[in-house]
Amino acid sequence: DAGVIQSPRHEVTEMGQEVTLRCKPISGHNSLFWYRQTMMRGLELLIYFNNNVPIDDSGMPEDRFSAKMPNASFSTLKIQPSEPRDSAVYFCASSPGTGLETQYFGPGTRLLVL
Amino acid sequence: DQQVKQNSPSLSVQEGRISILNCDYTNSMFDYFLWYKKYPAEGPTFLISISSIKDKNEDGRFTVFLNKSAKHLSLHIVPSQPGDSAVYFCAAKPTGGGNKLTFGTGTQLKVEL
Repeated sequence: DAGVIQSPRHEVTEMGQEVTLRCKPISGHNSLFWYRQTMMRGLELLIYFNNNVPIDDSGMPEDRFSAKMPNASFSTLKIQPSEPRDSAVYFCASSPGTGLETQYFGPGTRLLVL
Repeated sequence: DQQVKQNSPSLSVQEGRISILNCDYTNSMFDYFLWYKKYPAEGPTFLISISSIKDKNEDGRFTVFLNKSAKHLSLHIVPSQPGDSAVYFCAAKPTGGGNKLTFGTGTQLKVEL
């Protein structure tokens, strides 16, 4: 299995621009998670989906952030407009179910907003 | 408010010695705890976990200890190897919380020759 796939791996953009991060979970996994990693706060859960339905989006920083999962094999995290404080590494993870199953992380997207 | 805290941002240990990474939590509803390891430019990978009904779980060189009364857990690596150099994240899951994890800020472990 290819594991969780994220694109792009690196993104540099200017403040005010729209940014779209993409994720393909492991085939057969029912849960998908978006995290943000910063030095100050570590790994923060932004939102997670079960069976393509958003379950908890309490970690989404503000209305500039939105996430979708149109089908079981694809999800996007969008930031519009982007700000310098959004600079971080964004990880997508998936897991087989909703219990104690391990979460498998993608390689991350390193975002820099100038 | 950080519900999972890793107060040591970095730790340096000599090869062959024991590495002890610490984690504290504040939410008494947490009942399942995990450690993830992260290498540069890669995503975190699962290392070891422990349920709140246990106080110790061992897997090869890795042992996790849980002290529920102190709301503290630790990861012991014995003996430490240079390949163990990575960032280690502690994570916790609440009772009835589905598979939502709360992570700490991580500890950078460096194992020196």
